[in-house]
Amino acid sequence: QLQLQESGPGLVKPSETLSLTCTVSGGSISSISYYWGWIRQPPGKGLEWIGSINYSGSTYNNPSLKSPITISVDTSKNQFSLKLGSVTAADTAVYYCARHASGFYREIEYWGQGTLVTVSS
Amino acid sequence: EIVLTQSPGTLSLSPGERATLSCRASQSLSSSYLAWYQQKPGQAPRLLIYGASSRATGIPDRFSGSGSGTDFTLTISRLEPEDFAVYYCQQYGRTFGQGTKVEIK
Repeated sequence: QLQLQESGPGLVKPSETLSLTCTVSGGSISSISYYWGWIRQPPGKGLEWIGSINYSGSTYNNPSLKSPITISVDTSKNQFSLKLGSVTAADTAVYYCARHASGFYREIEYWGQGTLVTVSS
Repeated sequence: EIVLTQSPGTLSLSPGERATLSCRASQSLSSSYLAWYQQKPGQAPRLLIYGASSRATGIPDRFSGSGSGTDFTLTISRLEPEDFAVYYCQQYGRTFGQGTKVEIK
C-alpha cells in the first residue's frame, strides 16, 4: 500500500522560505506514469493545488499563487520537496503531499496525512 | 483558468435521505476530467469518484457521479452517519471547488 509522509518545520517566519519534504513508501517515485503533488488547506477553508512533479522533474505549478514555488524530486531517497518563498500569514495551512493517478491530468489517488505550517514571527 | 462552483454551500439532511451536490465549471471540462473527494474533520481528503462517474476502489455504491461539460453532480442515495462530511470537486490536476458541507439535520 502506497504511503506518503510530509515532514518539515511547523513554524516559519514571514518573508522566509517554507520547505517541506514528502517521503514515499510502498512504491517507487521513479515510476514513469505518476505525478506527485502538493495541495494545501488554510484552517477552516478549502483545498488549493500548489504544484506537481514527475520522476524526471517535469513540473506544473499553480499560476495563481503569489509566492515563488519550487518543487523538486530526489529519486535516490524516494522523496519530493516543496519550497515556497517569501511567505506571509496567508500561507498558513495544512500542507498535503499526494500522488495523481497515471499522468498529471488525473485524479489524486493517494494523500499524505498532512502537516500544519504556521507562518508567524 | 477554469473556476469550479459548488452548490449548495451547506446541505442539512437526515440519515437515510438522498443528497444531491452540484459542481459547475466556468468552461467545459475535457473528457469529463472531474473528480469528487470526501473530507472529514482532521483527515486528508479521500477520492470518491473519478472521470465524473467512476467510483474509486472501495467506495460504496450509494455514491454516484454524473454529468459532463460544465455541469456535474454527486449523489448519495441514502445517507449513512459516516457520510456527513465536506465534499469537493476537482478539475483533474488543478483547481478545486470551494466545497459542500453535508451536515446532520
